[in-house]
Amino acid sequence: GENVEQHPSTLSVQEGDSAVIKCTYSDSASNYFPWYKQELGKRPQLIIDIRSNVGEKKDQRIAVTLNKTAKHFSLHITETQPEDSAVYFCAARNTGTASKLTFGTGTRLQVTL
Amino acid sequence: GAVVSQHPSWVICKSGTSVKIECRSLDFQATTMFWYRQFPKQSLMLMATSNEGSKATYEQGVEKDKFLINHASLTLSTLTVTSAHPEDSSFYICSARTGGSHYEQFFGPGTRLTVL
Repeated sequence: GENVEQHPSTLSVQEGDSAVIKCTYSDSASNYFPWYKQELGKRPQLIIDIRSNVGEKKDQRIAVTLNKTAKHFSLHITETQPEDSAVYFCAARNTGTASKLTFGTGTRLQVTL
Repeated sequence: GAVVSQHPSWVICKSGTSVKIECRSLDFQATTMFWYRQFPKQSLMLMATSNEGSKATYEQGVEKDKFLINHASLTLSTLTVTSAHPEDSSFYICSARTGGSHYEQFFGPGTRLTVL
């Protein structure tokens, strides 16, 4: 089955700096890669996603890049703000009717003033 | 986006009792729902995939006789934790999938289960 690795496990940046979180996946059949933000005790919230036919996607301060050949994808947050502090999860989804999301191990991002 | 609700949001029960958690898609029909478990400071782990009108598909290592899943309608799936024990204490999150080839998956708010 799919295996998703995520690094780093914790990340501390100063307000205004950029944050980068990286993930690798194992199943070449995976074609959908969402990123979720989860605050303590809350549901995961989709913040951006990318499909395998696209190499990069941007939404304001958030961008995601995908390298299908290397099987890795990254989340980039620019101009970080304290409210960006949360746990971020990457995920990969395979194809077919039995497709399912496999989550990375999570990155705890702390944005300090 | 679409809305998924869960009930209850938290529950405390005694060891040996059973607990039922409901997951509802409020404004769309979901032929497929997913149940995840999340322990503190860990990732979401898929427990099972629930398909309307058929038996759930459980992930390896998840006891199907302990975690009973019923998906009797296109808007409701239930997870029953039978004979709960303290090690079952966790955050249980459901997710419902929309239709189509580029389907989306929406998460419920989660249920915090504490077994004493």
